[in-house]
Amino acid sequence: QVQLQESGPGLVKPSQTLSLTCTVSGGSTSSGNYYRSWIRQPAGKGLEWIGRIYTSGTTDYNPSLKSRVTISLDTSKNQFSLRLNSVTAADTAVYYCAIGGGPGFGYWGQGTLVTVSS
Amino acid sequence: DIQMTQSPSSLSASVGDRVTITCRASQGIGSYLNWYQQRPGKAPKLLMYAVSTLQGGVPSRFSGSGSGTDFTLTISSLQPEDFATYYCQQSYSVPWTFGQGTKVEI
Repeated sequence: QVQLQESGPGLVKPSQTLSLTCTVSGGSTSSGNYYRSWIRQPAGKGLEWIGRIYTSGTTDYNPSLKSRVTISLDTSKNQFSLRLNSVTAADTAVYYCAIGGGPGFGYWGQGTLVTVSS
Repeated sequence: DIQMTQSPSSLSASVGDRVTITCRASQGIGSYLNWYQQRPGKAPKLLMYAVSTLQGGVPSRFSGSGSGTDFTLTISSLQPEDFATYYCQQSYSVPWTFGQGTKVEI
């Protein structure tokens, strides 16, 4: 069974960089070719897809965040990471990592709350 | 970006009721339509992909239909554990986008 776990600071100051890591374990994660995504959800609101990285390292980002986002992959550690620059209070949300593509996101992390505040 | 619009935003129902949620895409997305269930404080759970294919372990009371721009999720007989928020999502083109959610309440 594939499991995902987000990790990183829960509090980030305005204008600084939000950094999160997702560790993937179980299943055929070491050899599978699939998309890895980051998705966020502000409190009481809907889901926003941030971006994705394929096993090859190819990335796609939501245009609304593209200028501030970087997603990277470390296959040796079965991890992928999110960096979001120049954060503001509007970036406060629960951040999820997820695996999936056309057939939907079949695996999700439990989510991690990141608060942007001084 | 493809906009996904769900209706209603919320609904009240009782155990045993038949519930239908609709999702409309701003342009054609073929069959690249997925549905999720999210309970409070939990990550979303994939219910159905490619319009009508149930994810493993999902009860058969859930069904989906539609194509192109208009889609529906139906729960044939609502159970207590089905009270949650439901989201549609298109995986036709990036940026992948979600509907705003439909909260199913007692």
